[in-house]
Amino acid sequence: GENVEQHPSTLSVQEGDSAVIKCTYSDSASNYFPWYKQELGKGPQLIIDIRSNVGEKKDQRIAVTLNKTAKHFSLHITETQPEDSAVYFCAASYNNNDMRFGAGTRLTVKP
Amino acid sequence: GAVVSQHPSRVICKSGTSVKIECRSLDFQATTMFWYRQFPKKSLMLMATSNEGSKATYEQGVEKDKFLINHASLTLSTLTVTSAHPEDSSFYICSATSPSGRTPDTQYFGPGTRLTVL
Repeated sequence: GENVEQHPSTLSVQEGDSAVIKCTYSDSASNYFPWYKQELGKGPQLIIDIRSNVGEKKDQRIAVTLNKTAKHFSLHITETQPEDSAVYFCAASYNNNDMRFGAGTRLTVKP
Repeated sequence: GAVVSQHPSRVICKSGTSVKIECRSLDFQATTMFWYRQFPKKSLMLMATSNEGSKATYEQGVEKDKFLINHASLTLSTLTVTSAHPEDSSFYICSATSPSGRTPDTQYFGPGTRLTVL
């Protein structure tokens, strides 16, 4: 089955700096890679996703890149703000019943 | 965007009682619903996959007689924790897939239910 590894486990940046979170996956059949943001005591919220037919996707300050050959994908947050502080999870799947999550990255943006 | 609700958001019960958690897709019909359990500072652990009108598929190690799942309609799934014990205390989160015309469908999560068993 799919195995997703996520790094770093914790990340602290200064407000305005960029933050990058990286994930690797093991199953070459995976073709869908979402990123979720989870605030304390809440459910995960989808912030961006990418499918394997593209290499990069951007939405305002958030971007995701995908390297299918190397089997890794990354989340990039630019101009970070304190409200970006949360736990971020990456995931990978190839069908509706087999989504696997990374262990999560706790991002802290210091004002 | 697709909205998934959960009820209740928080429940405290006595050991030995049963607790039912509802998960609803509010503005779409979900092809599949999922139930996850999350321990403090940990990732999401899939418990079971639920399709409307059929039996849920449980992950290895999850007791199906302990965690009863009913998927009554395309917008409602329920998780019942039977004879709850303190070790069942956790954060339970459901999700639902919204048909996107592409496989796999996008998965949207509910706000979670905090269960505390005394």
